[in-house]
Amino acid sequence: AQSVTQLGSHVSVSEGALVLLRCNYSSSVPPYLFWYVQYPNQGLQLLLKYTTGATLVKGINGFEAEFKKSETSFHLTKPSAHMSDAAEYFCAVSEGYSSASKIIFGSGTRLSIRP
Amino acid sequence: NAGVTQTPKFQVLKTGQSMTLQCAQDMNHEYMSWYRQDPGMGLRLIHYSVGAGITDQGEVPNGYNVSRSTTEDFPLRLLSAAPSQTSVYFCASRLRDGTNTGELFFGEGSRLTVL
Repeated sequence: AQSVTQLGSHVSVSEGALVLLRCNYSSSVPPYLFWYVQYPNQGLQLLLKYTTGATLVKGINGFEAEFKKSETSFHLTKPSAHMSDAAEYFCAVSEGYSSASKIIFGSGTRLSIRP
Repeated sequence: NAGVTQTPKFQVLKTGQSMTLQCAQDMNHEYMSWYRQDPGMGLRLIHYSVGAGITDQGEVPNGYNVSRSTTEDFPLRLLSAAPSQTSVYFCASRLRDGTNTGELFFGEGSRLTVL
């Protein structure tokens, strides 16, 4: 079974600083990978996804992630943090390619932004 | 466009009571799923469905029942509530496209407390 590990349950950065949220996965086949964001008292929304092709993926709100097969990683970055980025972020992997494939989530990383 | 609608948003139950969390989507999505979110554990898949009349178990199915009589609705039943089922529940849906690149669309969540 595939799994996702997010390193660091809480990350705090200063406004304007680099954001780096770490995600590692395990999979016996090339995965489809996702990052979702959850703002307080809301559901999750998709930030970006990797399926095939270019390994650097750009998403909404200035976020991007790079798929590194050799490191089994899909870390999320943003060059300059804004106060509005404070939220919880989830990495997820698709368990297979079929149209019935489940999506498995990591435990989440809460991002705090210091003024 | 309503998207994914969950009811109720809040519910308090006593141990042993039963109840149903409702989920409806108006996007003609074939795939629907239920997750529970607990602190430090991310989102865990309870049950999912790839179309009307078809359901399957996820990571944590015990104590929950689902059915899928229509494309639009995917109710989650708690048969005999236990304190361990205190959680925030999310319903999510997506198109059952052929390559499983489709993103999940989430409801706003249902917060359940079992006393």
